[in-house]
Amino acid sequence: NAGVTQTPKFQVLKTGQSMTLQCAQDMNHEYMSWYRQDPGMGLRLIHYSVGAGITDQGEVPNGYNVSRSTTEDFPLRLLSAAPSQTSVYFCASSYSSFIEAFFGQGTRLTVV
Amino acid sequence: AQRVTQPEKLLSVFKGAPVELKCNYSYSGSPELFWYVQYSRQRLQLLLRHISRESIKGFTADLNKGETSFHLKKPFAQEEDSAMYYCARTRGNEKLTFGTGTRLTIIP
Repeated sequence: NAGVTQTPKFQVLKTGQSMTLQCAQDMNHEYMSWYRQDPGMGLRLIHYSVGAGITDQGEVPNGYNVSRSTTEDFPLRLLSAAPSQTSVYFCASSYSSFIEAFFGQGTRLTVV
Repeated sequence: AQRVTQPEKLLSVFKGAPVELKCNYSYSGSPELFWYVQYSRQRLQLLLRHISRESIKGFTADLNKGETSFHLKKPFAQEEDSAMYYCARTRGNEKLTFGTGTRLTIIP
């Protein structure tokens, strides 16, 4: 089992560029979520999904889109990158509800 | 909104000394509480959950409903305990809410 796999691990974007952060899990988990980790702010929930075809907003959704066409994949899209989106992004999945989340290794994104 | 408060952003402890990482949560019935740990250059992982009442890597955490606290404790710190620690809570189908984290540094 690979668990939760995120790609890329590092990315530098220019302001206004768009990109997609990939997240895949092979544990057949229904629940998936995206967090951003910022110094002094902890982990903040961006978007989450309770199953294929279902997504919802978290605490800080602005500037991000998600989709969940399959159980395995939950990509996060930045439509027009801004310096405020410089952060470390974590994808997580869990079997039921939001307990015992399994995390990916993170994507360090810098927007210049 | 459900809240998890970790009052210490940074905590330094000498090797062999006791460690206590504080966590307080907003009250709403019977939450499920967790401690997650992130070692340097590793992914975030579950350390322990209150419902299992177990000790992992020498750490324990007791749920105190009266004080709405779930402090993480270890009697004798080890250098490999240096990491970022996050307290988290959920309840039923609520989203997992994390605290702001405490960076623990063990001084040799």
